[in-house]
Amino acid sequence: DAGVTQSPTHLIKTRGQQVTLRCSPKSGHDTVSWYQQALGQGPQFIFQYYEEEERQRGNFPDRFSGHQFPNYSSELNVNALLLGDSALYLCASSLASGGAGEETQYFGPGTRLLVL
Amino acid sequence: GNSVTQMEGPVTLSEEAFLTINCTYTATGYPSLFWYVQYPGEGLQLLLKATKADDKGSNKGFEATYRKETTSFHLEKGSVQVSDSAVYFCALNDYKLSFGAGTTVTVRA
Repeated sequence: DAGVTQSPTHLIKTRGQQVTLRCSPKSGHDTVSWYQQALGQGPQFIFQYYEEEERQRGNFPDRFSGHQFPNYSSELNVNALLLGDSALYLCASSLASGGAGEETQYFGPGTRLLVL
Repeated sequence: GNSVTQMEGPVTLSEEAFLTINCTYTATGYPSLFWYVQYPGEGLQLLLKATKADDKGSNKGFEATYRKETTSFHLEKGSVQVSDSAVYFCALNDYKLSFGAGTTVTVRA
C-alpha cells in the first residue's frame, strides 16, 4: 500500500518565478492538505482540498493556489516567488469523515524549495 | 482560534532515561489530538493520537493521555533509545492541523 508521495523532492528557483508541487494521496484517501514548514518551525496550514474544491484555507496570500484532480491527487502552485517562500512543503492525505477533526492526516516526505 | 503550546527544547537525555514533552491546547469543542515525529530530512510520521477526553494513545513505547480538565496531551516514554532522537510535534485537528513549535530530542548513548 503506497503512502503519500510528493514530487519533486528538491527544487531551486529564483525570485519572481513560479513553481508547481505535486502530491498523490494514500490509497483510499480523498482529502489533501498542504502545509509549509519553515526551518526550525512547526508546519503551517496552507489549504485543504476535498471533492476538487478548496474546503479550508490558512493565512496565506493568493500567490498560493491549488488544485485537486478527479483521482484525488493535488498540485500546489506558488506564483511570484519570494525568498521567504523557501521551506519544506508537506502534503497530507486523509479520508473525509462526518465529524470535524476526526480524520487522521498522513504526511508525505515533502518537497524542499529553495528560492534564490 | 485553536492553538497548541509545546514545551520548548532542545531536550538532551541519556539512553534509558524517562522522557516527557509537555503540550497544552486551546480549542473550542473537543478536537482530536496528535503527536507527530520528524526525523532529520524527512516528513512527519504519525506517532499516536487520541480522539476524545481520557483516551490514551500509545505507540512504540510512547504514551499520551487526552486531559480535558487540564487541556493537556503530554507525551511520555519510560526508556528512550538513541533512535528516538527526532523532533516531536503536538497537534490538534479541527479539519486542519494546528501544530506546536516542535521539541528537538537528542538521546545520547
